[in-house]
Amino acid sequence: DVKVTQSSRYLVKRTGEKVFLECVQDMDHENMFWYRQDPGLGLRLIYFSYDVKMKEKGDIPEGYSVSREKKERFSLILESASTNQTSMYLCASSPTKSLYEQYFGPGTRLTVT
Amino acid sequence: AQTVTQSQPEMSVQEAETVTLSCTYDTSENNYYLFWYKQPPSRQMILVIRQEAYKQQNATENRFSVNFQKAAKSFSLKISDSQLGDTAMYFCAFRRNAGGTSYGKLTFGQGTILTVHP
Repeated sequence: DVKVTQSSRYLVKRTGEKVFLECVQDMDHENMFWYRQDPGLGLRLIYFSYDVKMKEKGDIPEGYSVSREKKERFSLILESASTNQTSMYLCASSPTKSLYEQYFGPGTRLTVT
Repeated sequence: AQTVTQSQPEMSVQEAETVTLSCTYDTSENNYYLFWYKQPPSRQMILVIRQEAYKQQNATENRFSVNFQKAAKSFSLKISDSQLGDTAMYFCAFRRNAGGTSYGKLTFGQGTILTVHP
C-alpha cells in the first residue's frame, strides 16, 4: 500500500512564527503536492514538485515556500505564519508513469493564533 | 484555467437508497481526466472513480458510477445502495492530459458533504 505520512495531525503556532510541515511518501513517487483545504473552497494547490529540488507554484503560493531535498520528502514552509493561514494542509504524491491517482496524507490541522 | 463547481454543499440519503452528486467543470482542453475523491471524517482522501474524457462509456466501480456528459461539461456521481460508510465529503477533480511538468495537477471542486442515515 502507498503510504503518505505527515509530521503532525494538529499544530498550533503563534503569528510570526516559522512553521515547517513535513510530508513523506514511501512509494518512490516523482510528484508531490501541497494543498490547503478550507470550507466552501475545496482543495487549492499551493506548490508541487515533479523531481528532487524542482518545484512549481500552484494557485495560491503567496506566504509559502517548499523544499524537496530528497525524493521521498516534501516540506511546506510558512516563513511568518499569519492567522489567515489557519487551515487543513494536505500532502499528496503520484508517480509520473501513471498520473491517474494522487495519494493523500492524513492532513495537518494548523491553527495560527 | 480550469474551474470545477460542485453546487451542492450538503446532501443526505437513507441507507440502501441511491443518491447523485453533481459536478460541472469549465475547460478549453479536449483531452483530460475527471475524478471523484472521497474524504471520510478524520480519514485520508481516497480515489473513488475516474473517467477519461476520450471514453464515451461511463465509468463504474461497484456501487459507484458516473454520468459523464462531455458537451455539457457535467460529471455526476451516482451511489447506489448507499451504506453508512459512504458518509464523507466528496470532491470532484479535473486533470488535463496535455503533457509538460504541470500536467499532474488536479483542480478540485468545493466538495459535497454526504450523510447516509440509517
